[in-house]
Amino acid sequence: KAGVTQTPRYLIKTRGQQVTLSCSPISGHRSVSWYQQTPGQGLQFLFEYFSETQRNKGNFPGRFSGRQFSNSRSEMNVSTLELGDSALYLCASSLGSADTQYFGPGTRLTVL
Amino acid sequence: AQTVTQSQPEMSVQEAETVTLSCTYDTSESDYYLFWYKQPPSRQMILVIRQEAYKQQNATENRFSVNFQKAAKSFSLKISDSQLGDAAMYFCAYRSIRGAQKLVFGQGTRLTINP
Repeated sequence: KAGVTQTPRYLIKTRGQQVTLSCSPISGHRSVSWYQQTPGQGLQFLFEYFSETQRNKGNFPGRFSGRQFSNSRSEMNVSTLELGDSALYLCASSLGSADTQYFGPGTRLTVL
Repeated sequence: AQTVTQSQPEMSVQEAETVTLSCTYDTSESDYYLFWYKQPPSRQMILVIRQEAYKQQNATENRFSVNFQKAAKSFSLKISDSQLGDAAMYFCAYRSIRGAQKLVFGQGTRLTINP
């Protein structure tokens, strides 16, 4: 089976812009979670989607949002980008909410 | 809220030797999952091992094994016969057995393998 894929792999934006990141889970996986990784804050949970519904959300401002489509693919959106949003954004998928998560390669976002 | 602490920012070991990475966690829950993930320079997070808190037996996966001490809230990872490919950041993570998927990660331990 193909693993979790994330597009794009690298992205450069300027402050104030918005960005959309995409994640395609492993075939058959219905849960998709997003994490932000920065040198200062480490790995932090953003949100989880299961069957197109957001099940849990981390402590991030409303500028961070996401959605999941009927084929389980997920997107996350960050509006009004700030310099501090520069990070590696990781997506993880699992069969269900009780199962082990498998991660994608990440999207490296740089905000200038 | 649950927290995970990895007190060793960096560790190094000679190739073929054994190394143990430490992890402690804090939770008021009795059932949960614990994980070790590895992140090599490619940045892809790779699952190393998983432990269910209700299982007393320590999980083992080839050269990787854990020492799970539930009362002490300790979850260390032992890597036997270290190989150059084991060099990576290692993250300990906690997940509640209830509710949605949310991994709480430790700060990570950078493992260097000396040839």
